[in-house]
Amino acid sequence: NAGVTQTPKFQVLKTGQSMTLQCAQDMNHEYMSWYRQDPGMGLRLIHYSVGAGITDQGEVPNGYNVSRSTTEDFPLRLLSAAPSQTSVYFCASSPSNYGYTFGSGTRLTVV
Amino acid sequence: AQSVSQHNHHVILSEAASLELGCNYSYGGTVNLFWYVQYPGQHLQLLLKYFSGDPLVKGIKGFEAEFIKSKFSFNLRKPSVQWSDTAEYFCAVNVGSGNTGKLIFGQGTTLQVKP
Repeated sequence: NAGVTQTPKFQVLKTGQSMTLQCAQDMNHEYMSWYRQDPGMGLRLIHYSVGAGITDQGEVPNGYNVSRSTTEDFPLRLLSAAPSQTSVYFCASSPSNYGYTFGSGTRLTVV
Repeated sequence: AQSVSQHNHHVILSEAASLELGCNYSYGGTVNLFWYVQYPGQHLQLLLKYFSGDPLVKGIKGFEAEFIKSKFSFNLRKPSVQWSDTAEYFCAVNVGSGNTGKLIFGQGTTLQVKP
């Protein structure tokens, strides 16, 4: 099993550009989540999903969209990147017994 | 507002010292509690978790945590730290009796262990 795979690992965007951060898991986990990690602020939940076709907003959803068309994939879309979205993004997945597995992260810089 | 608080932002210890990192949450009702560790340049790894039962839970690498419901706390402990424990530690809470998919993290505590 590859676990939780995030791509790309690094990305630089210009303000106003759009992009999609990819997240895929091969463990058949029902639950998937996106977090951003900023110094001194821990991890903040952006969006999460409790199954295919079901998504919900977390603590900091503004500026981000998600969809969950399959159990395996949970992409995060930035429609118009802003410097405030410069961060490290982590995707996580969990089966019903709460053990979350995290991906290795995507370091995004918006200039 | 509902939150998870880690009061120690940066802790510096010498090897063999004992460790206790505080975690408090403000949610009422049923919670599931976690401690994660992030070694430099790596992703988060689960140290231990509490769902129900014995409030003293043991995790990997000699870590343990105690759930005190009356104090809304879930402090992490280790009797004797090693240099390899240098990392950032995060407390996290899942609110509700089942997995809601909504895991909320504290701000993190950076632990530096001096050899």
